[in-house]
Amino acid sequence: AQKVTQAQTEISVVEKEDVTLDCVYETRDTTYYLFWYKQPPSGELVFLIRRNSFDEQNEISGRYSWNFQKSTSSFNFTITASQVVDSAVYFCALSEALGGSNYKLTFGKGTLLTVNP
Amino acid sequence: NAGVTQTPKFRVLKTGQSMTLLCAQDMNHEYMYWYRQDPGMGLRLIHYSVGEGTTAKGEVPDGYNVSRLKKQNFLLGLESAAPSQTSVYFCASSHLEGQTINEQFFGPGTRLTVL
Repeated sequence: AQKVTQAQTEISVVEKEDVTLDCVYETRDTTYYLFWYKQPPSGELVFLIRRNSFDEQNEISGRYSWNFQKSTSSFNFTITASQVVDSAVYFCALSEALGGSNYKLTFGKGTLLTVNP
Repeated sequence: NAGVTQTPKFRVLKTGQSMTLLCAQDMNHEYMYWYRQDPGMGLRLIHYSVGEGTTAKGEVPDGYNVSRLKKQNFLLGLESAAPSQTSVYFCASSHLEGQTINEQFFGPGTRLTVL
């Protein structure tokens, strides 16, 4: 069965610090996708990034960067120069094929990031 | 474009009562999903649908039923609510694009309390 592990339940940093959120996954699918979502205190789920298993290039978007390493089954997320507005729960998710073109997402349990001023 | 909307936003039920949660999307997405979110558990898939008239069970389907009579709507029903169903419920939708798995777009959530 698919599994996503976010070992860090909570992280607390001071503003401007860099912080990395870890995500380790298990899958038997040869083709799969990984996602990160942000859930701020307001409760909605905001999509951040999608990465497919054939693309191991790291990605940078502003202060956010993602490090995908297939060899270690990890898809880590780094926030550079963190800000108070980054405070949220962050979820890593993995696609699971259900047959045909059907799929579902398996979510990790999330990491609560608190950025203190 | 409203995206994914959910009705109601909050609800309190007594044990044994029934209710239906409505999810609507205006993006013409084929796939729709219902998740529940509980503290420390992440999101768990209840039921999903790959198209109008089709539904399937997810990880935690017991106590819930769903229907997708129209492509844009996905209903989640609780026939006899139990305190264990106290949770935040999220609906999501996504677009089918060949073999590409696209991101899921989420609704704002429904906070349900069963007393």
